Amino acid sequence: DAKTTQPPSMDCAEGRAANLPCNHSTISGNEYVYWYRQIHSQGPQYIIHGLKNNETNEMASLIITEDRKSSTLILPHATLRDTAVYYCIVGLGANNLFFGTGTRLTVIP
Amino acid sequence: DAGVTQSPTHLIKTRGQQVTLRCSPKSGHDTVSWYQQALGQGPQFIFQYYEEEERQRGNFPDRFSGHQFPNYSSELNVNALLLGDSALYLCASSLWFDEQYFGPGTRLTVT
Repeated sequence: DAKTTQPPSMDCAEGRAANLPCNHSTISGNEYVYWYRQIHSQGPQYIIHGLKNNETNEMASLIITEDRKSSTLILPHATLRDTAVYYCIVGLGANNLFFGTGTRLTVIP
Repeated sequence: DAGVTQSPTHLIKTRGQQVTLRCSPKSGHDTVSWYQQALGQGPQFIFQYYEEEERQRGNFPDRFSGHQFPNYSSELNVNALLLGDSALYLCASSLWFDEQYFGPGTRLTVT
């Protein structure tokens, strides 16, 4: 059963920030939010995860709302290589990840 | 440091046959999970191995079985292949409950 809702597709201009939203209104208090992406014909790639606080790493930033019912993945300066399907996943840990259909992000030159 | 590796890259089988797919985890990882990804869909969790035992299982029939070896590598076996088993099979490794790292997958075609 899907625990997250994501738009099926988004476009972003190269060099601009890509903001990918995710709704997870039924998230429980001890569940994390994970983001993975899958570039065509490759295995999914871990991006970032968080519980309550905003997180940032070398790839992206994760903004989680105070009520934890939604989050946004931010790619600060999108490049053509960021074109991929992005999956937002909610779970107790990184095991048994439930992938939905994700958001297909297209970065436009 | 080699990441997760899978073999073979591609294979073609006939309905009713059996297939074995192999996975070597990322160095230092002790947990292996297997996923099936049909065309146009997200990966679906099959099962997970830790300490050579199946720890969790998704909604897949008993035709799907696995094994983990003392060196943490793993095999996925599928018996009595169906046309619907055609998919990309992904292996992911991790330290227990940490983020998973995926291999490139094995593309299985059943004819």
